[in-house]
Amino acid sequence: KNQVEQSPQSLIILEGKNCTLQCNYTVSPFSNLRWYKQDTGRGPVSLTIMTFSENTKSNGRYTATLDADTKQSSLHITASQLSDSASYICVVSKEGSNYQLIWGAGTKLIIKP
Amino acid sequence: DTGVSQDPRHKITKRGQNVTFRCDPISEHNRLYWYRQTLGQGPEFLTYFQNEAQLEKSRLLSDRFSAERPKGSFSTLEIQRTEQGDSAMYLCASSPGTPGGNQPQHFGDGTRLSIL
Repeated sequence: KNQVEQSPQSLIILEGKNCTLQCNYTVSPFSNLRWYKQDTGRGPVSLTIMTFSENTKSNGRYTATLDADTKQSSLHITASQLSDSASYICVVSKEGSNYQLIWGAGTKLIIKP
Repeated sequence: DTGVSQDPRHKITKRGQNVTFRCDPISEHNRLYWYRQTLGQGPEFLTYFQNEAQLEKSRLLSDRFSAERPKGSFSTLEIQRTEQGDSAMYLCASSPGTPGGNQPQHFGDGTRLSIL
């Protein structure tokens, strides 16, 4: 069964600290893995997209890693800011399709001052 | 603003009424998607258009749901005879139609539907 599981479900950290969010997937055949940020009441915004051959990709203070062998990904946030408070959703795309995206339930991150 | 826009942002209606939502994608994007999202969950795929052709429809979409994209630009999603379980955020996204599928989907801010 195609699934994407994220952990932790929620996380609270202090402003300025780093954190790492995890994503495990069982989607096959794999095409790419995406991380989205979703602020409350807004649509998701793309952070990174990684294909099978990429094992790390950065977007500012966000760094995503991908281990296609173990089917795991992580999103590392450096020097967190209050504006990083959001849900972070891991999404896996099936090969051959741009619409068959398998979405995780997200990690809700709260940054406290 | 050249992003995806959705209208209305909020809709409150009584059970049994029909509702229609509109989505205007990014102008050069020929792919358009509709999703439904409930609290604490990721978006669930509903349907997908390439230009004006509806190429895929999720089994989640009952006969009460219909979507159109008549000229390959804006799209509408209609729900007939709304039920309590239809209460959710309805998200629209668009992407370029490039081969390989490694393009991000750009989302609007959704229409939040509340059924009384």
